[in-house]
Amino acid sequence: DAGVTQSPTHLIKTRGQQVTLRCSPKSGHDTVSWYQQALGQGPQFIFQYYEEEERQRGNFPDRFSGHQFPNYSSELNVNALLLGDSALYLCASSSGDGGEQYFGPGTRLTVT
Amino acid sequence: SQELEQSPQSLIVQEGKNLTINCTSSKTLYGLYWYKQKYGEGLIFLMMLQKGGEEKSHKKITAKLDEKKQQSSLHITASQPSHAGIYLCGADPYLFSGGYNKLIFGAGTRLAVHP
Repeated sequence: DAGVTQSPTHLIKTRGQQVTLRCSPKSGHDTVSWYQQALGQGPQFIFQYYEEEERQRGNFPDRFSGHQFPNYSSELNVNALLLGDSALYLCASSSGDGGEQYFGPGTRLTVT
Repeated sequence: SQELEQSPQSLIVQEGKNLTINCTSSKTLYGLYWYKQKYGEGLIFLMMLQKGGEEKSHKKITAKLDEKKQQSSLHITASQPSHAGIYLCGADPYLFSGGYNKLIFGAGTRLAVHP
């Protein structure tokens, strides 16, 4: 049984560019949450998708947007990249009624 | 908003020693999670505690939730080099409000275990 998978593993972008990160949830999970983890910090909640809609959102600007597909996979899009967006982006999946949240290996985004 | 403070920030122990990591919340703790993270990698789920006084163990790791103190502790017995990594506590402040799994995390405790 595959766990949560994310792609790509690493990414280098230039300021002002746009980026798309992808996540496939663990089998049987229908909810996907995205987190941003800056170096030396704990993960910060960006938003959560359930039934193809954004269900919850953290304190992140509209430059951060997402999408969930009918197969429950999800994308995180970040527009107009800033240097401060450099971080490890983690995807987590769970079932819609709560319970354990499983994390993927993350995508390391570097903005230069 | 709820904040989690972990202590200590970092810890270096000799193999075989016991150790404790604490996670203190600024508000009532509901749905406290413990994760382990190897540097630059994803989070590995360790345990979830939901009730005050609850205690769970997995292999040599035990976690407790003290609701009155708004605190959780993670205890490792007879530490091994494989225990090294970053330990993160996460809380779900909306667990009973229909907002599942919007986790707030502490900054982490960095553990090194020397042979």
